Amino acid sequence: GAGVSQSPSNKVTEKGKDVELRCDPISGHTALYWYRQSLGQGLEFLIYFQGNSAPDKSGLPSDRFSAERTGGSVSTLTIQRTQQEDSAVYLCASSLNRALATEAFFGQGTRLTVV
Amino acid sequence: SQQGEEDPQALSIQEGENATMNCSYKTSINNLQWYRQNSGRGLVHLILIRSNEREKHSGRLRVTLDTSKKSSSLLITASRAADTASYFCATAGTALIFGKGTTLSVSS
Repeated sequence: GAGVSQSPSNKVTEKGKDVELRCDPISGHTALYWYRQSLGQGLEFLIYFQGNSAPDKSGLPSDRFSAERTGGSVSTLTIQRTQQEDSAVYLCASSLNRALATEAFFGQGTRLTVV
Repeated sequence: SQQGEEDPQALSIQEGENATMNCSYKTSINNLQWYRQNSGRGLVHLILIRSNEREKHSGRLRVTLDTSKKSSSLLITASRAADTASYFCATAGTALIFGKGTTLSVSS
């Protein structure tokens, strides 16, 4: 596609349920990032994939959070046993090459609401 | 964790005035990037300055980088109401880490 695509745009889930958020990066982009943004706050780094290297998971807030990137393209962020504090906008971005030397392109995000 | 810290948190100016936002960071970087966000959704890249550069221009934007002070500034000249948005710096080291942002409001 022309840009980074995230789905769903909005997700309302009950506390304790699992959710999966999807990100389709720009074709050919080897780097993919996930961030979380609470209302009125900055972007909290979650995880970074670069090509076939082991992902940088240092930002994942707990073991309820995990992410995969299949075939170097689509990525899924999974949150297990969701809690109300997980409510936020989850943003995905991709960039062309490694070393973070180029700009990142962002999707429009998934707004997650845990009730 | 967030490395970049923008200052001020909020800035209100009149159209035609210049807006300056500052960013400080803590560790070594490959480059520093500035992004803009409207309405709390996707971010748009504005400008990238490499660690060996001191100043860069793009249209009405001017970015400076002082690696000795671990700081950067973004200047928007002749601001317009359409510049109203949140602005974030992002430092590229082992990952791309964003600050908390500056909310700019430009009134006509």
